[in-house]
Amino acid sequence: DIQMTQSPSSLSASVGDRVTITCRASQSISGYLNWYQQKPGKAPKVLISAASSLQSGVPSRFSGSGSGTDFTLTISNLQPEDFATYYCQQSHSTRTFGQGTKVEIK
Amino acid sequence: QITLKESGPTLVKPTQTLTLTCTFSGFSLSTAGVGVDWIRQPPGKALEWLALIYWDDDKRYSPSLKNRLTITKDTSKNQVVLTMTNVDPVDTATYYCAHSRSSGVWYLDSWGQGTLVTVSS
Repeated sequence: DIQMTQSPSSLSASVGDRVTITCRASQSISGYLNWYQQKPGKAPKVLISAASSLQSGVPSRFSGSGSGTDFTLTISNLQPEDFATYYCQQSHSTRTFGQGTKVEIK
Repeated sequence: QITLKESGPTLVKPTQTLTLTCTFSGFSLSTAGVGVDWIRQPPGKALEWLALIYWDDDKRYSPSLKNRLTITKDTSKNQVVLTMTNVDPVDTATYYCAHSRSSGVWYLDSWGQGTLVTVSS
């Protein structure tokens, strides 16, 4: 089965910062990679599918890139509502989530 | 509008079988290109994908839990049922069901609110 490793596990940032989260697959998954945002006590919400396709209604400050084994989620101009935990998820072979990256207020 | 809601026991004893039901609306699981997944999240921990069922009744399971899980669908009732046998306290988690769609890549675009299941004697 495919393992997904996110880094960092947590980070502290300020409003207005640019934040980058990395997700690495244990084998090539082509572009079968999605990103989710989860706030405390809530279900996750999909931000990006197919590595770089922004979901409807998601602010353009979110962007995704990558292919194969290495992927990146970037949040430019971090906003107060962006403080949350972010998960990558592969759908190349069944499904696997990364361990999450918690974005906290600095 | 797609909605999903999980239901089942809040407390289960170790070694028992857990049965969870996902009742949904806004889509049909007999329509091509649709699936329903189950995901869980232990308190304070990461999401863990468990199982999925496609519109054509194809099923997939987490390799680590495959021997304990069964997923089924009842299209007429708009329900998907997940059973987990021989539960243990480590199975304590919030269990989510989610609608799965593909635009070339499968992703989870609508989620239920989740249901917390505690495994304890």
